[in-house]
Amino acid sequence: DTEVTQTPKHLVMGMTNKKSLKCEQHMGHRAMYWYKQKAKKPPELMFVYSYEKLSINESVPSRFSPECPNSSLLNLHLHALQPEDSALYLCASSQDSRDGQETQYFGPGTRLLVL
Amino acid sequence: AQSVTQPDIHITVSEGASLELRCNYSYGATPYLFWYVQSPGQGLQLLLKYFSGDTLVQGIKGFEAEFKRSQSSFNLRKPSVHWSDAAEYFCAVDHGGATNKLIFGTGTLLAVQP
Repeated sequence: DTEVTQTPKHLVMGMTNKKSLKCEQHMGHRAMYWYKQKAKKPPELMFVYSYEKLSINESVPSRFSPECPNSSLLNLHLHALQPEDSALYLCASSQDSRDGQETQYFGPGTRLLVL
Repeated sequence: AQSVTQPDIHITVSEGASLELRCNYSYGATPYLFWYVQSPGQGLQLLLKYFSGDTLVQGIKGFEAEFKRSQSSFNLRKPSVHWSDAAEYFCAVDHGGATNKLIFGTGTLLAVQP
């Protein structure tokens, strides 16, 4: 089973709202990722968690706040977003076996629209 | 810096025809290479990967890819395309270091004509 689940599938929020995106995997993976994907573009890495610790933050604005409560869950808290933040947000996970041969498995994404 | 180039932004093939999608990478050592497919509004699905060993890699849905070190390429092929193969295809590179970071190409959009 290589399934990564994400909720919600779609989200519409105003610029003053606070919302959260959720991601879950039960493959025993210890690395989890958030990507942002604009239309007709490749995914852009936002954050990487390794063994529940934030290991990479790609200079993402503070209005995006990741959280990894345990090894199976990854959240992305959203606050005071801008319309240009509208995108498909993808979660991925990988084993993080430290031998470098990592395969990332992606969830279906959350389509976010900021009004 | 590492980079991945997919020279073809958009390709149209007839159903039943063969397909080759190009991918070139720039990296000093042998990278780890991936092809992902994305249907509209969906996540990315792994088609195949290359880490080491046999340079011809078989994947899901009848796809294969060949790693050619001399050409820094990892082209994706399928002998007979089905209408359901219409999607966006991304080639990606991971240099295999500690950061688990994928570098994606810009993608190739495949259209399939009946």
